[in-house]
Amino acid sequence: EPEVTQTPSHQVTQMGQEVILRCVPISNHLYFYWYRQILGQKVEFLVSFYNNEISEKSEIFDDQFSVERPDGSNFTLKIRSTKLEDSAMYFCASSEMAVGTDTQYFGPGTRLTVL
Amino acid sequence: AQSVTQLGSHVSVSEGALVLLRCNYSSSVPPYLFWYVQYPNQGLQLLLKYTSAATLVKGINGFEAEFKKSETSFHLTKPSAHMSDAAEYFCAVSVRGSQGNLIFGKGTKLSVKP
Repeated sequence: EPEVTQTPSHQVTQMGQEVILRCVPISNHLYFYWYRQILGQKVEFLVSFYNNEISEKSEIFDDQFSVERPDGSNFTLKIRSTKLEDSAMYFCASSEMAVGTDTQYFGPGTRLTVL
Repeated sequence: AQSVTQLGSHVSVSEGALVLLRCNYSSSVPPYLFWYVQYPNQGLQLLLKYTSAATLVKGINGFEAEFKKSETSFHLTKPSAHMSDAAEYFCAVSVRGSQGNLIFGKGTKLSVKP
């Protein structure tokens, strides 16, 4: 069964450093998402992406964040200058369509620890 | 604005007992509702979803949920818990008018005792 994969599973970085989290969505899906979950808190929507551009983003997704589909398979989330409060589990998801009823398939997540 | 609230961050049941995980939603328009499960070190997996068809929704692994508009609830149930059901369960609502962005509850961790 096709699945969303994410690398690395755990990333440790120093405050102020740039990190890139990688995701490989399911191959025939067209819509991609990033969510994050700070320890003990809710899973929060960050950004959705379609046709090589951002469709929607939350207030969390400020200028420090960017997303890219550098090739036909990868979907990346870059944090330009990490802060302590960026420490969280980051989930990538993909779906065939972008309607409210469509199922989003999630990856296993990348745990980001900012020291 | 839409939101979901999951009552109980941790629920413990005995094997074979009824599982009831509570979710209440807030929405000014009819919502789309989802239950996801997360097993340790894995991604979120869809259990079931409500999309304005039948109010009683059956999902995978014997789980079901009933949409009750009068109670603004979408509780998840399973008649008989298995040890393999131990996981974290998330209720989510889809934001109407958006591109399917999900708003999640805080999650409920289910423990199953032998």
